Amino acid sequence: DAGVIQSPRHEVTEMGQEVTLRCKPISGHNSLFWYRQTMMRGLELLIYFNNNVPIDDSGMPEDRFSAKMPNASFSTLKIQPSEPRDSAVYFCASSLGAGPGETQYFGPGTRLLVL
Amino acid sequence: GQQVMQIPQYQHVQEGEDFTTYCNSSTTLSNIQWYKQRPGGHPVFLIQLVKSGEVKKQKRLTFQFGEAKKNSSLHITATQTTDVGTYFCAGVGGSEKLVFGKGTKLTVNP
Repeated sequence: DAGVIQSPRHEVTEMGQEVTLRCKPISGHNSLFWYRQTMMRGLELLIYFNNNVPIDDSGMPEDRFSAKMPNASFSTLKIQPSEPRDSAVYFCASSLGAGPGETQYFGPGTRLLVL
Repeated sequence: GQQVMQIPQYQHVQEGEDFTTYCNSSTTLSNIQWYKQRPGGHPVFLIQLVKSGEVKKQKRLTFQFGEAKKNSSLHITATQTTDVGTYFCAGVGGSEKLVFGKGTKLTVNP
């Protein structure tokens, strides 16, 4: 199994630009999670989907952030417009079941730098 | 809301010394998970504990879940340089979400 796939692995952009992060979960997994990791705040859950439906987006920082999961094998996290404080590592993770206690498998992350 | 605290934030040891990280929750947890993140890497699942007082071992790693299900610990015996990384606990409490602690960053001096 290829594991969770994320692209791009690195992104450098200028303030005000739109950024789109992509994730392909492990085949057969029903839940998908987007996290943001920074030194100051640690790992923060932004949003999670179950069977392609957003279940909890209370962690999404503000309206500049949006996430979609059009099908079971693809999700995007979009930031528009981006700001320097959005610089972080963004992880996508997937789990087999729907419960919050399921083991989560993380992708390699996208390292985002907004100048 | 639910909070998961980990101490210490950093730990530096000599190779061969033991290491322990502690995890405390503000609420009772239905289960707790431990993850390891190597430098520059991503979190990787280590283990899950669900029962009060549960103890599990993986080679030199010992995981415990407190009797009240509000705390947990990870102990590494005789650390090796391959143990370097950040260890996270993550628990499910009243929020019904997996909440991660800030992690303990372990460095090992050879």
